[in-house]
Amino acid sequence: DTEVTQTPKHLVMGMTNKKSLKCEQHMGHRAMYWYKQKAKKPPELMFVYSYEKLSINESVPSRFSPECPNSSLLNLHLHALQPEDSALYLCASSQPNGDPQHFGDGTRLSIL
Amino acid sequence: AQKVTQAQTEISVVEKEDVTLDCVYETRDTTYYLFWYKQPPSGELVFLIRRNSFDEQNEISGRYSWNFQKSTSSFNFTITASQVVDSAVYFCALSERTSGTYKYIFGTGTRLKVLA
Repeated sequence: DTEVTQTPKHLVMGMTNKKSLKCEQHMGHRAMYWYKQKAKKPPELMFVYSYEKLSINESVPSRFSPECPNSSLLNLHLHALQPEDSALYLCASSQPNGDPQHFGDGTRLSIL
Repeated sequence: AQKVTQAQTEISVVEKEDVTLDCVYETRDTTYYLFWYKQPPSGELVFLIRRNSFDEQNEISGRYSWNFQKSTSSFNFTITASQVVDSAVYFCALSERTSGTYKYIFGTGTRLKVLA
């Protein structure tokens, strides 16, 4: 079992839908991350929250909107996605000091 | 610029063979961290090891060992007596400090297939 929990595990949505991906950790980590991973590629960093504040946005389109309600939770709100946004979305957490990042199992997202 | 190169895209070995996965990195930082992760087909990235730039000691953990050489900017990973369960994609990563936090620079990964 991973210590970072992501829900849902699978999501199929239309291009006009609005949905949210959720991530939770209870390791006391103060940095949380969203990654996008396409097949046969490494994870690509999307966002980093450090002490509940957005510290890195890797020029992600506005149809992806992150939210960090508290130190244990990280959400990714999705709206008007495109077929090319179909991917595995991974959440990770760590202390913001170079410690290893711990990853969740990911959400497999398919856009119809 | 920070960069991680994993030149081996895919490696196939027969069970019980030893296999080495290569990782070469570039950085201008004097303090940095290097990592290896395993990604099985289920998708989760599993942390294997972290090395900081001041610690060049090699490490062994069971069948796994790591060889860190700053002189050649390499951080190679060897699996001894490979098993089918070792089949996965392995990523090497360099940690870069930016905007008050750290982010990973991943290599492109090496897919290891261990055949029974």
